Amino acid sequence: QQQVKQSPQSLIVQKGGISIINCAYENTAFDYFPWYQQFPGKGPALLIAIRPDVSEKKEGRFTISFNKSAKQFSLHIMDSQPGDSATYFCAASLPGFGNEKLTFGTGTRLTIIP
Amino acid sequence: DVKVTQSSRYLVKRTGEKVFLECVQDMDHENMFWYRQDPGLGLRLIYFSYDVKMKEKGDIPEGYSVSREKKERFSLILESASTNQTSMYLCASSLLSGNSPLHFGNGTRLTVT
Repeated sequence: QQQVKQSPQSLIVQKGGISIINCAYENTAFDYFPWYQQFPGKGPALLIAIRPDVSEKKEGRFTISFNKSAKQFSLHIMDSQPGDSATYFCAASLPGFGNEKLTFGTGTRLTIIP
Repeated sequence: DVKVTQSSRYLVKRTGEKVFLECVQDMDHENMFWYRQDPGLGLRLIYFSYDVKMKEKGDIPEGYSVSREKKERFSLILESASTNQTSMYLCASSLLSGNSPLHFGNGTRLTVT
């Protein structure tokens, strides 16, 4: 089975700090890397996604950094806020397939403390 | 806004019971999915469907079956529930094309005793 390894499992960050969640993959054929955000009691929702032809994608306070040679990608949350407290999942997908071949990481529970 | 509705938020069933989890989406999406979410294991795909009456196995289909008689409705069936099927079950839908975002329901927490 294709694997996506996510770390850390849990993360506590001070309000205003930078939260960083890392993912590593094995299959160099992966060509789509989304991040999903899940609040307690809710289903995950797409937060931001990147393809390997760019090294960085930014949407507001959320940035994906992509390192193709290292087979790693990470989510950075700048100026972290208590409302960012959630579980974050990275994922990766193969070309030519849709969500049926989306492999998820194991999740990171992020807590932002005041 | 896409809405994916799962019929139950919490379910408690006994070992050996037949269990039905229902999911309805209101955006005419072709694809529907059932995932299982367990701590430390992330989201794992059980089954998916890309059309009415069509189904494909995901990564962990053993012990489960599905039914899709109408485009908007996708049911997950546990033929004989076991304690190792205690979990959070998430239904999702998406458009057929490429990497369309998954739209998830809020989940059903199933406990099998």
